[in-house]
Amino acid sequence: AAGVIQSPRHLIKEKRETATLKCYPIPRHDTVYWYQQGPGQDPQFLISFYEKMQSDKGSIPDRFSAQQFSDYHSELNMSSLELGDSALYFCASSLGGLQGGTEAFFGQGTRLTVV
Amino acid sequence: DQQVKQNSPSLSVQEGRISILNCDYTNSMFDYFLWYKKYPAEGPTFLISISSIKDKNEDGRFTVFLNKSAKHLSLHIVPSQPGDSAVYFCAASSSGFGTGNQFYFGTGTSLTVIP
Repeated sequence: AAGVIQSPRHLIKEKRETATLKCYPIPRHDTVYWYQQGPGQDPQFLISFYEKMQSDKGSIPDRFSAQQFSDYHSELNMSSLELGDSALYFCASSLGGLQGGTEAFFGQGTRLTVV
Repeated sequence: DQQVKQNSPSLSVQEGRISILNCDYTNSMFDYFLWYKKYPAEGPTFLISISSIKDKNEDGRFTVFLNKSAKHLSLHIVPSQPGDSAVYFCAASSSGFGTGNQFYFGTGTSLTVIP
């Protein structure tokens, strides 16, 4: 079965550069969530989208922006990268959010290293 | 402010015995709970979920119990197998504010099943 696809799997950027992370949800899923996980930490929620509209917002820095496109894939744009942005970035998708007992499934993540 | 807490950072269990992983939450608006299993550098893998209208959900070797009055849930793995060794995260969400609400992760419990 198709899963959540994230690209790239690994990314190395220098400070002050920009990065774009992509997430392709499971087919027919309309909700996408972005999480950031630092070393030894639990995943921290960044932002979510439902039907191409921003749904919920967490601790996403102003330097980051995201959107969900007409094909439901999502991109997380990160500018003016800082060393502290180095982390695993996970995307999850679900059908219609978590109401009604739907589950959210995660991609394999993108490991961003800022040097 | 950690709304979902897993107070045991690690747990060791003999193969064949029962593993019990605990999770507490503070937000009474949470009405949907999920357990994820995670290996290093991989995305979380969905295990099992439970809605607040239930107090138990079973799927094979995995059973999740929910005690709403105590704001506590637990994951039972019976029998435990060496392949179960991983970090387990519980997560909670509220459906009350619309679709695509973020789900909050606990800090994780590292389970080691000893052969």
